[in-house]
Amino acid sequence: GQQVMQIPQYQHVQEGEDFTTYCNSSTTLSNIQWYKQRPGGHPVFLIQLVKSGEVKKQKRLTFQFGEAKKNSSLHITATQTTDVGTYFCIGNNNDMRFGAGTRLTVKP
Amino acid sequence: DGGITQSPKYLFRKEGQNVTLSCEQNLNHDAMYWYRQDPGQGLRLIYYSQIVNDFQKGDIAEGYSVSREKKESFPLTVTSAQKNPTAFYLCASSSRGASGANVLTFGAGSRLTVL
Repeated sequence: GQQVMQIPQYQHVQEGEDFTTYCNSSTTLSNIQWYKQRPGGHPVFLIQLVKSGEVKKQKRLTFQFGEAKKNSSLHITATQTTDVGTYFCIGNNNDMRFGAGTRLTVKP
Repeated sequence: DGGITQSPKYLFRKEGQNVTLSCEQNLNHDAMYWYRQDPGQGLRLIYYSQIVNDFQKGDIAEGYSVSREKKESFPLTVTSAQKNPTAFYLCASSSRGASGANVLTFGAGSRLTVL
């Protein structure tokens, strides 16, 4: 299956700082999805991006899909302790393989 | 409410024993998936099924087996051949549609510990 690489693997921020995670693919994606997994929990779907250059916002979260549909980013403005968890991206294909994710920790 | 139910939530097993993890969904989803997650790691795909009576191996299928006799059910058996089975197991389902329509819904997971 196609490989989507996610960076960074870990990010530790002070509460109130911004946070960004990136996903990069070597091939063009039909769409990209983002999931969040809280510590001890299960992944929960956040959003799906389909169009080239698409930008979507959910409160403090901003999701972008690159013009070439090969990369995507998730940006959190002014992180809060409730943002703690691992964020996964997945480029859509028939077998739904996840990358390693970015684990975010937030210091109060 | 529609959703995915995994059971048991916690399971302890002795070495050499097979164990079966249950996954049931009432979302009318065609596709179902099993993932394994080790502490601090991402999700690795074990098996997936896109339709009843059909399933495919994922990246780490060795030591595991599945069946898909009903649309609602996708049980995973962890066999004694799996050398390091202690992990968190997640089941998911998705509706099969046009490209971009497969959004995963996860169960709460089953945490297996081999004693």
